[in-house]
Amino acid sequence: DAKTTQPPSMDCAEGRAANLPCNHSTISGNEYVYWYRQIHSQGPQYIIHGLKNNETNEMASLIITEDRKSSTLILPHATLRDTAVYYCIVITGTASKLTFGTGTRLQVTL
Amino acid sequence: GAGVSQSPRYKVTKRGQDVALRCDPISGHVSLYWYRQALGQGPEFLTYFNYEAQQDKSGLPNDRFSAERPEGSISTLTIQRTEQRDSAMYRCASSLFPFTGTNNYEQYFGPGTRLTVT
Repeated sequence: DAKTTQPPSMDCAEGRAANLPCNHSTISGNEYVYWYRQIHSQGPQYIIHGLKNNETNEMASLIITEDRKSSTLILPHATLRDTAVYYCIVITGTASKLTFGTGTRLQVTL
Repeated sequence: GAGVSQSPRYKVTKRGQDVALRCDPISGHVSLYWYRQALGQGPEFLTYFNYEAQQDKSGLPNDRFSAERPEGSISTLTIQRTEQRDSAMYRCASSLFPFTGTNNYEQYFGPGTRLTVT
């Protein structure tokens, strides 16, 4: 699976959009980009995933660059409850396990 | 319905003792996964099952670690002769069907068991 690089931490003001970057320059054509988050001591929670196209769901948007070497997770209106560690994971279509890195610790402030 | 449950939630044991950690997946979920998470790190895959069959145990650190799911429901992760380096949060997850990157049968995580080896 391709390696990912994320900033260790980011801050965001409540109500503003949180844009979390992920670099995956060695991604292969059959690899998906997944995002999970972990709030405090809870278990990880799925957010969104994509292959080539941008994706949006009720939680977030995922923007993947045309060359697929990087992506951005967007939380459109961050709240204090979005404070968490966000993990960007790249896996093949046949992969059956998740490989978490150290993620980005997002702190949402008033 | 009920989510994934794990017991005990906290376990303190002395070095050299054996421990058994239990995971009760969401009812009807075919697949069950075990992860270990050290402080400040992301979860690390250990092993997973489809029904009662262990599919991948490549993440188990050494032969002191074993897991079973004899009836395709509850699973037990056993650590023999515990060492201080085994101290971590052990998390279990389950999915309705086997997760793959393509199908994304979501893995639902339990609250974890915090293991401390003294």
